[in-house]
Amino acid sequence: DVKVTQSSRYLVKRTGEKVFLECVQDMDHENMFWYRQDPGLGLRLIYFSYDVKMKEKGDIPEGYSVSREKKERFSLILESASTNQTSMYLCASSLIGSGRGHNEQFFGPGTRLTVL
Amino acid sequence: KQEVTQIPAALSVPEGENLVLNCSFTDSAIYNLQWFRQDPGKGLTSLLLIQSSQREQTSGRLNASLDKSSGRSTLYIAASQPGDSATYLCAVRMDSNYQLIWGAGTKLIIKP
Repeated sequence: DVKVTQSSRYLVKRTGEKVFLECVQDMDHENMFWYRQDPGLGLRLIYFSYDVKMKEKGDIPEGYSVSREKKERFSLILESASTNQTSMYLCASSLIGSGRGHNEQFFGPGTRLTVL
Repeated sequence: KQEVTQIPAALSVPEGENLVLNCSFTDSAIYNLQWFRQDPGKGLTSLLLIQSSQREQTSGRLNASLDKSSGRSTLYIAASQPGDSATYLCAVRMDSNYQLIWGAGTKLIIKP
């Protein structure tokens, strides 16, 4: 089974702090994604990466950056956390290709971040 | 621009009933469509993925169908159980990129 893990289930930070959210997958997937989920707004893509050191902006990249130094790990960075970044953050990964199971996104358990 | 709609937003049915959840999309040029389940405060669990060339996929009591020409997918749940209570989300991937475009979800409650 694919396993996607996230470093924390719950996190509380103060405004202005630098925040790192870590995501690790164990299935050698090329694609990795960071989403945030807010009531009434659904899931919104922040960034995704299709290879090591490669990244693409999603729909709401402002205030965030990412890092992918190793294939299995994709980090989301909030350079200076703000209260409007309080949200549930979800990481996902998928395999590139056309075979069975390819392109199916698998999600981690989520990190609920509160910025005070 | 692709839009994905799930109606109804919430559904409550007695245990044991068969039920259908709906997902519609405006642009038929999809690469695939995926159904997910989300329990409160948790991440998403992938249920079924249908490639654009497929008509349906089945897993246990779940059956997902896809009709690209009419822009619709349905998730059929047979013999519903209280443990099926969750929010069900559908998402489409377009031909052009890796991003998923999400519906807002249907919150399903199965009453014992």
